[in-house]
Amino acid sequence: DVKVTQSSRYLVKRTGEKVFLECVQDMDHENMFWYRQDPGLGLRLIYFSYDVKMKEKGDIPEGYSVSREKKERFSLILESASTNQTSMYLCASSLIGSSYEQYFGPGTRLTVT
Amino acid sequence: QQPVQSPQAVILREGEDAVINCSSSKALYSVHWYRQKHGEAPVFLMILLKGGEQKGHDKISASFNEKKQQSSLYLTASQLSYSGTYFCGTEPQGGSEKLVFGKGTKLTVNP
Repeated sequence: DVKVTQSSRYLVKRTGEKVFLECVQDMDHENMFWYRQDPGLGLRLIYFSYDVKMKEKGDIPEGYSVSREKKERFSLILESASTNQTSMYLCASSLIGSSYEQYFGPGTRLTVT
Repeated sequence: QQPVQSPQAVILREGEDAVINCSSSKALYSVHWYRQKHGEAPVFLMILLKGGEQKGHDKISASFNEKKQQSSLYLTASQLSYSGTYFCGTEPQGGSEKLVFGKGTKLTVNP
């Protein structure tokens, strides 16, 4: 059974803190993605990685960075959390190629106070 | 550019049909459809790659028009389990593998 796991389901952080969200997939997928989901806005791509140490910006990368040191692990970093980064964060992975589906993790609901 | 999904929400009785549309202003490389139930991760439904393509499994099917700018998802004889929010994810021409998702269509199926 394919699996994408995220380190926390719920996280509460204070403004200005550095926040790490971790994602691990066990499917040997090349592609990994971080999305942000807000009510009425759908899923918006923050960053995309197609290989170890390789990354591309998505539609809303400002305020975020990513790290991919191992194929199975993709981390999202909020250098200095702000209240407008309160959201649901979803990680996904897929094989390389446009005909492949993305598998999503359960999400991390981050609240920044 | 974010695709436009319509309608934003639809309420059905069990057994009724629904159509969800996803439109782009530019030709696309592919369209993906996902369903997300409340509190759960989005789950893949299907991918369409070719203009004029139609796909389906069970009572859920989808089409991709010839110009590759619009896709529709068809849910026939809806079941309670179809309730959820449906998202289309579009990939621009050139095949970047990065999807741009619509805002979603919330489908509620009542007994």
